[in-house]
Amino acid sequence: DAGVIQSPRHEVTEMGQEVTLRCKPISGHDYLFWYRQTMMRGLELLIYFNNNVPIDDSGMPEDRFSAKMPNASFSTLKIQPSEPRDSAVYFCASSSLKMQYFGPGTRLTVL
Amino acid sequence: DQQVKQNSPSLSVQEGRISILNCDYTNSMFDYFLWYKKYPAEGPTFLISISSIKDKNEDGRFTVFLNKSAKHLSLHIVPSQPGDSAVYFCSPHSGGSNYKLTFGKGTLLTVNP
Repeated sequence: DAGVIQSPRHEVTEMGQEVTLRCKPISGHDYLFWYRQTMMRGLELLIYFNNNVPIDDSGMPEDRFSAKMPNASFSTLKIQPSEPRDSAVYFCASSSLKMQYFGPGTRLTVL
Repeated sequence: DQQVKQNSPSLSVQEGRISILNCDYTNSMFDYFLWYKKYPAEGPTFLISISSIKDKNEDGRFTVFLNKSAKHLSLHIVPSQPGDSAVYFCSPHSGGSNYKLTFGKGTLLTVNP
């Protein structure tokens, strides 16, 4: 298995633009998690899905953030409009039991 | 509300010596604890775990100790190697069918040759 796949690996955009981050979980995993890592806040959970259904989105910072999981093999995290304070590394992880497997992350820079 | 605290942002040790990384938690519902290791430009990877019914779990050079009464766990690495240099995250799990993990802010371990 290729593991969790995220794209793009790096994204540089200007304030106000829409950003879409993509994730392909490990086949057979029924949980998918989106995290954001910053120096100030560490690794924080944004939202997670179980069987493609959002279970807890309490970590989503504000309405500019949205996430979808249209099928078991694909999820997106969208920021619209983006702001400089959204600059961070965004990780996707998937699991079928208690252990989560992380993707390599997307480094987002909003200028 | 920080349920997981890793109070040492960084730790530096000499190769061959012991590294001890600490983690404190506040939620008594946590019943399973994982340690993740993260290299720069990579996602975290699972290292070792311990269930709340145990007080020690060992895997090669890595040992995790759990003190439930003190709500404290520690990760020991013996002997430390330069390749162990990474950020280590303590991550408790609250049990049941909820597979959500809570992460500490991490400790950057540097092992000097």
